[in-house]
Amino acid sequence: SQTIHQWPATLVQPVGSPLSLECTVEGTSNPNLYWYRQAAGRGLQLLFYSVGIGQISSEVPQNLSASRPQDRQFILSSKKLLLSDSGFYLCAWSQKNQGDDEQFFGPGTRLTVL
Amino acid sequence: GESVGLHLPTLSVQEGDNSIINCAYSNSASDYFIWYKQESGKGPQFIIDIRSNMDKRQGQRVTVLLNKTVKHLSLQIAATQPGDSAVYFCAESPGGGNKLTFGTGTQLKVEL
Repeated sequence: SQTIHQWPATLVQPVGSPLSLECTVEGTSNPNLYWYRQAAGRGLQLLFYSVGIGQISSEVPQNLSASRPQDRQFILSSKKLLLSDSGFYLCAWSQKNQGDDEQFFGPGTRLTVL
Repeated sequence: GESVGLHLPTLSVQEGDNSIINCAYSNSASDYFIWYKQESGKGPQFIIDIRSNMDKRQGQRVTVLLNKTVKHLSLQIAATQPGDSAVYFCAESPGGGNKLTFGTGTQLKVEL
């Protein structure tokens, strides 16, 4: 069966510090990968998605970047965090060439920027 | 632009009652719809999905209804339980591997 992991689970960082969040998927190959941010009490905002290694699409201009160094690894980064980067970050994956487009979500990372 | 939204941000129901959560979508090209449940501090979990060639689909205690004429989607939960308390999101996609567009979510509160 497929599983998706995210770490760390929680993170408290000062403004101006760098960020690296990691997401890995097991049990599948060549998935589509997604990074979402969720503000408290709000919906999901798609930040990045990737259809393959080194292929990243950005949905919104922001202080963040994403990379996919391996097929099942997706990394969210920032060189200098802003207060507005605080939120709940969710990684998700979906299968290619399937009849439906269901996305499977990881447990999330709670980021607090102080 | 195209969007998916929810009618009610918060829904309170008594334990044992049926719950109905509504969702409106505006993309007429949407072919696939999905409901997720998100408990506090956790990632969204799949509940049920439906394709545009159907108007109703049933799962265990849940039913999704799709009305393409008015671009409306609803999630019905039978005999609501305390464990159903969560935020529920609808999402839509034009299909063919396209990205999902999520609604803003509805908080379901089950009162004992």
